[in-house]
Amino acid sequence: DAGVTQSPTHLIKTRGQQVTLRCSPKSGHDTVSWYQQALGQGPQFIFQYYEEEERQRGNFPDRFSGHQFPNYSSELNVNALLLGDSALYLCASSLAGEVADTQYFGPGTRLTVL
Amino acid sequence: RKEVEQDPGPFNVPEGATVAFNCTYSNSASQSFFWYRQDCRKEPKLLMSVYSSGNEDGRFTAQLNRASQYISLLIRDSKLSDSATYLCACHGSSNTGKLIFGQGTTLQVKP
Repeated sequence: DAGVTQSPTHLIKTRGQQVTLRCSPKSGHDTVSWYQQALGQGPQFIFQYYEEEERQRGNFPDRFSGHQFPNYSSELNVNALLLGDSALYLCASSLAGEVADTQYFGPGTRLTVL
Repeated sequence: RKEVEQDPGPFNVPEGATVAFNCTYSNSASQSFFWYRQDCRKEPKLLMSVYSSGNEDGRFTAQLNRASQYISLLIRDSKLSDSATYLCACHGSSNTGKLIFGQGTTLQVKP
């Protein structure tokens, strides 16, 4: 039973560049949520995708965008990178309709912006 | 006021001790709550879900107090391997989607 997978594991970019992070949900899950976790803080919700649509969005600028594919995998795109975008980006998957929308996290992508 | 608040610690306890963490939340409409464990530079791993008054799994007990709007996590007979950061989280009023996390509480279990 494959868990949530993410790629790449680490990434180094410079200010102003663009980045794409990828996530495959746990087998049987259809919903993907993305979170940003800065050092010493809890994860912050970016957005959630279900049925290839953005279902809910957190307080992040439009530079953060996403996509969900028919196979439920998802991408997170960040444009015009800022130093403050350096963080661990976590993808979580869940099954729509399940009690309490329990979310399971992937190993994350550590993004460093120089 | 933050939506979910935790004492960041660190809590330093000896092996075998019992330790408890509290987490307060501000949205009285929140329905579901979670405790995650996060090891250094790793992803959060689900420890327990809390829907009604509480939940128990081996040495771990989670309780929900809706009147005072807090959840607690009790760890009995602490092991060295319990050393980690413990994150509490809740959904907003919709019971789906966005999980709101606290800052996390760091536990160090010493021999």
